[in-house]
Amino acid sequence: IAGITQAPTSQILAAGRRMTLRCTQDMRHNAMYWYRQDLGLGLRLIHYSNTAGTTGKGEVPDGYSVSRANTDDFPLTLASAVPSQTSVYFCASSDRPGGSYNEQFFGPGTRLTVL
Amino acid sequence: GQNIDQPTEMTATEGAIVQINCTYQTSGFNGLFWYQQHAGEAPTFLSYNVLDGLEEKGRFSSFLSRSKGYSYLLLKELQMKDSASYLCAGMDSNYQLIWGAGTKLIIKP
Repeated sequence: IAGITQAPTSQILAAGRRMTLRCTQDMRHNAMYWYRQDLGLGLRLIHYSNTAGTTGKGEVPDGYSVSRANTDDFPLTLASAVPSQTSVYFCASSDRPGGSYNEQFFGPGTRLTVL
Repeated sequence: GQNIDQPTEMTATEGAIVQINCTYQTSGFNGLFWYQQHAGEAPTFLSYNVLDGLEEKGRFSSFLSRSKGYSYLLLKELQMKDSASYLCAGMDSNYQLIWGAGTKLIIKP
């Protein structure tokens, strides 16, 4: 693994189904983030984690949950998917919050379609 | 509220210079980031400014004026590969990034 990876690359999901998007980084970064990107809107923060064992809510957390059991992994779960969750999801990591240390490195993204 | 404004789209000619502007309003301020995002790809870091002034990095430069809540990204000697979206993001007092919607830059030969 080099950098930050996400799985799956893309997914079509029926509404009401549960889905977990996976994110793994090998840079030993303390902070990790989940964003969604929709056409015409900026990246919007869903959840974040400043260090292993802690998580926080971002701008649009409803319908999503995260966990941070260790430094490397930060999965995002949609408990019961709805069509409005159709989006491109990016996972990112940074050395730690604050200043230039918050330069965020992004995974390749997961394109999710909820029908 | 927190807000980042940047133009939706700009067009420039190969070999020319283009300036992409960004105005920001954040709760507290801990710096301004610029990222590049090619279509269908992830954003990649270009620059970070926390002090007023111009930071030059090769063909790309970034400027910040904290008193005006304003930044710009300057791209010189444009190449076709510079066709991408350029994202401006302000870091607030909680060290969270507030993102603009991005400026799509179209380069014409």
